[in-house]
Amino acid sequence: AAGVIQSPRHLIKEKRETATLKCYPIPRHDTVYWYQQGPGQDPQFLISFYEKMQSDKGSIPDRFSAQQFSDYHSELNMSSLELGDSALYFCASSGPRDSGTDTQYFGPGTRLTVL
Amino acid sequence: GNSVTQMEGPVTLSEEAFLTINCTYTATGYPSLFWYVQYPGEGLQLLLKATKADDKGSNKGFEATYRKETTSFHLEKGSVQVSDSAVYFCALRRSGGTSYGKLTFGQGTILTVHP
Repeated sequence: AAGVIQSPRHLIKEKRETATLKCYPIPRHDTVYWYQQGPGQDPQFLISFYEKMQSDKGSIPDRFSAQQFSDYHSELNMSSLELGDSALYFCASSGPRDSGTDTQYFGPGTRLTVL
Repeated sequence: GNSVTQMEGPVTLSEEAFLTINCTYTATGYPSLFWYVQYPGEGLQLLLKATKADDKGSNKGFEATYRKETTSFHLEKGSVQVSDSAVYFCALRRSGGTSYGKLTFGQGTILTVHP
């Protein structure tokens, strides 16, 4: 079965640089979520989108922005990177909502290292 | 706000031992409860879930029962295998409003099973 795809899997950036993470949800899933997992920590919710509209917002820094496109893939844009942004970034997807299924399925994550 | 508390780890067991990982939660209403598992270097995989009180989720020999009276969702397995070594996360999704809301995770419990 198709799973959530994230790219790149690994990313190394310098401080103050920018990064773009991409997420391709499971086909027919219409909701995308982004989570950040620091070393040895639990995943923290950043932001979610449903039908290309932001549906919920968590502890996402102002330096980060995200959007969902017409094909339902999503991108997380991170600017002015800081050392503390080094983490594993997960994307999850769920849906379709009209089917009544709402379990979130996670991608393998993108490991971002800021030097 | 919503929160999830897991028993502190790490947990180290011998193969075929009985496993219990405690999870308690604080939430208003009737949240949905989940257990996710994360194998080394991989993303989060849904292990099991329960959406209402007294529901029992089960998968791959693991079980957890949604206990409203004790606000708990303890994970159990009768006989663990070396391949069960991973990090286990208890999570909840709030009830009311959109049912496609963010997940709130516990801090994770590292399980190591020795032959």
